[in-house]
Amino acid sequence: GQQVMQIPQYQHVQEGEDFTTYCNSSTTLSNIQWYKQRPGGHPVFLIQLVKSGEVKKQKRLTFQFGEAKKNSSQHITATQTTDVGTYFCAGLIIQGAQKLVFGQGTRLTINP
Amino acid sequence: DAGVTQSPTHLIKTRGQQVTLRCSPKSGHDTVSWYQQALGQGPQFIFQYYEEEERQRGNFPDRFSGHQFPNYSSELNVNALLLGDSALYLCASSLRRTVGLEQFFGPGTRLTVL
Repeated sequence: GQQVMQIPQYQHVQEGEDFTTYCNSSTTLSNIQWYKQRPGGHPVFLIQLVKSGEVKKQKRLTFQFGEAKKNSSQHITATQTTDVGTYFCAGLIIQGAQKLVFGQGTRLTINP
Repeated sequence: DAGVTQSPTHLIKTRGQQVTLRCSPKSGHDTVSWYQQALGQGPQFIFQYYEEEERQRGNFPDRFSGHQFPNYSSELNVNALLLGDSALYLCASSLRRTVGLEQFFGPGTRLTVL
């Protein structure tokens, strides 16, 4: 079946350090979406990448979509305590209907 | 503009029982997807409804069924509950004609099966 793998599973950083999470799919994706889930909360949409090789920035966050549309990354520059949470990538697969396949998530904790 | 709402927020059931979870999508949305999120895992796609029909299904047994009503709200039913069904059940709504299927998630229903 379609799988989306995400690494690392956990990441602990000092406040101010950078953080990157990686996402790989066994299937070519129509797009890739990134979500953030705070502890005890629900996933909140961050961004969507559609084009091969696309790069998007949101303040300190940078997102990339691979040329083959099978991998993606999210990079946070100079982490802050508000960045704590679990970051999920989700690949959109269109086979008839549309389906989002989520990665396992990367849980980010920050030492202030 | 109300976001996605789900009820109940928490539920405790015993093995073998049946449960119904409810979801109202974000205003203007016509598509509802249900996900199961086990502790420490990513959301797993259960199924998706639009135009009152199940359109796509993930790898879940027939014990999981659903329904969508004319007002786009939806229910998830789980029969013959197992301990392994304990999880956070998330409803997400979207607009079908929007390419990309950005999902708006509700707060979820925490189901505990004893």
